[in-house]
Amino acid sequence: AQKITQTQPGMFVQEKEAVTLDCTYDTSDQSYGLFWYKQPSSGEMIFLIYQGSYDEQNATEGRYSLNFQKARKSANLVISASQLGDSAMYFCAMTASGTYKYIFGTGTRLKVLA
Amino acid sequence: NAGVTQTPKFQVLKTGQSMTLQCAQDMNHEYMSWYRQDPGMGLRLIHYSVGAGITDQGEVPNGYNVSRSTTEDFPLRLLSAAPSQTSVYFCASSHRDRGLKYGYTFGSGTRLTVV
Repeated sequence: AQKITQTQPGMFVQEKEAVTLDCTYDTSDQSYGLFWYKQPSSGEMIFLIYQGSYDEQNATEGRYSLNFQKARKSANLVISASQLGDSAMYFCAMTASGTYKYIFGTGTRLKVLA
Repeated sequence: NAGVTQTPKFQVLKTGQSMTLQCAQDMNHEYMSWYRQDPGMGLRLIHYSVGAGITDQGEVPNGYNVSRSTTEDFPLRLLSAAPSQTSVYFCASSHRDRGLKYGYTFGSGTRLTVV
């Protein structure tokens, strides 16, 4: 069975600094996708970044990058130059074998300090 | 485009009542799904659909029914509400041919309380 683990319930980071949010996963599938979503206090779910299991390079989207270490089964999200608006809950998720069925982690609440 | 529209945004039900959470998308997405979000548990898949007329169960389907008569609409029915169904419900959709890399588009959520 697939599983996503986010071990950091909450984190603080100083504005303008970089922060890494941890995500490890477990799957026996060879083909899978890894995702990060942001959920601000307003409640909506915002797609941030995607990494395919066969992608050789780490995904990047603006200030977001995904540190993909396949052998360690980790897919950490790196946010560079943190902004106050980055304060939110962040969810790691995965899909398997080309399906669109997500398995979510329990989330990490990030607080950016001025 | 409106994206994914969920109604209502808030609802209070009494135990045993039934209701339907509405979800509509105007992006011609093939894939639609319902998730529930509970504190400390992330989001869990209730039901999903890969196209009109095709639905299947997710991780936590008990107590819920779905149907997909059109591409646009994917309502979630609570058959007999229980306090354990108190949660925030999200509908999400995705385009099949664009692939996974663009992620799901989520609705704004329905906060349901069963008393």
